Amino acid sequence: GAVVSQHPSWVICKSGTSVKIECRSLDFQATTMFWYRQFPKQSLMLMATSNEGSKATYEQGVEKDKFLINHASLTLSTLTVTSAHPEDSSFYICSARETRQGQNQPQHFGDGTRLSIL
Amino acid sequence: SQKIEQNSEALNIQEGKTATLTCNYTNYSPAYLQWYRQDPGRGPVFLLLIRENEKEKRKERLKVTFDTTLKQSLFHITASQPADSATYLCALNTGGFKTIFGAGTRLFVKA
Repeated sequence: GAVVSQHPSWVICKSGTSVKIECRSLDFQATTMFWYRQFPKQSLMLMATSNEGSKATYEQGVEKDKFLINHASLTLSTLTVTSAHPEDSSFYICSARETRQGQNQPQHFGDGTRLSIL
Repeated sequence: SQKIEQNSEALNIQEGKTATLTCNYTNYSPAYLQWYRQDPGRGPVFLLLIRENEKEKRKERLKVTFDTTLKQSLFHITASQPADSATYLCALNTGGFKTIFGAGTRLFVKA
């Protein structure tokens, strides 16, 4: 089955540090990847849609200069949280949809990154 | 805007019984609806997708129904097992490539 690998799974760092999270589709190509943020017992909140070879599309209220997204290939997207602060602490999850015709393809998720900013 | 409502209270059932989870949406009917399972500290795992022209979809012990008149989907797990304990998320597309997720319902299956 389709596998999405996300690294690192857990990060603890000091305030002001920039943190990069990688999301890879291991056995399929993904033109589009998605980055979500999830708070405890809450829904997945879409932050941005990452498009291979072009700029990401950010959801309203998400700072694009704070959360830098790069989708340089069909199998890799990265999210960089720049100058992270304690309020950025959260569970970040990426997902990818296989590049096929039609939009009714399920999303395949990584296992998430638990980010803790001290 | 489209909203998804799932029962925020946990569902506790006895092993062997059928678990039924509800997903209601508020606006237009999506072209398709999906169900995912999420375990603590893990990413969601895709379970089933049902299209608007399908009334019912099955996969092993799982069954999903889709009623566009009621704007509701039901997710059933028959012969439930303790290993089925998890949070189940309902998701639907809002047009284009975007998908929105419900907050999920926690299921506890007691042995």
